[in-house]
Amino acid sequence: QQPVQSPQAVILREGEDAVINCSSSKALYSVHWYRQKHGEAPVFLMILLKGGEQKGHEKISASFNEKKQQSSLYLTASQLSYSGTYFCGTENAGNNRKLIWGLGTSLAVNP
Amino acid sequence: DGGITQSPKYLFRKEGQNVTLSCEQNLNHDAMYWYRQDPGQGLRLIYYSQIVNDFQKGDIAEGYSVSREKKESFPLTVTSAQKNPTAFYLCASSIVGGNAYEQYFGPGTRLTVT
Repeated sequence: QQPVQSPQAVILREGEDAVINCSSSKALYSVHWYRQKHGEAPVFLMILLKGGEQKGHEKISASFNEKKQQSSLYLTASQLSYSGTYFCGTENAGNNRKLIWGLGTSLAVNP
Repeated sequence: DGGITQSPKYLFRKEGQNVTLSCEQNLNHDAMYWYRQDPGQGLRLIYYSQIVNDFQKGDIAEGYSVSREKKESFPLTVTSAQKNPTAFYLCASSIVGGNAYEQYFGPGTRLTVT
């Protein structure tokens, strides 16, 4: 039931791009993306809903393939501040706002 | 400024003692959540509440208890029955109505039990 994130870790040079994936074995109602820096609280990045509605930061883009039960987060022209662990949280239909979280993808952006 | 506060940031307790973690929000959110995070792990839901005086167990509720007597407060008690309580605890809140809701997180409490 826990979504699977891939890759587990990514190392980038500043300015490079990355894609982080989140896959579920169950039909999804929504996918949430957050970034967490070490020892801090997760920070909201984006929500994608079944049917195409999205809400999030302008500089972040993501996709949601309902048929494949997958979501991807696209990080372009990465900056040092993008470093952290990225988590997806998935909500199944009828799950009443309860999110199930992946194990995270660690992203390090180096100068 | 609106937000969620958790206190204390670090908490140390002896085994066998109950301990209560505080979570307060002034965002006027109806829903509040407690998560536990262990190193290298994702967030695991302990309890959540969508309305005052009502709450539901999450995936790992054993050894924990909560109350929701006020909309802005959702304290978590880690009891002596919790076998491995050392962890990073995060509180979050969100709206209930609408579709695109995000969860706002507090800064967390790092609990160490020895």
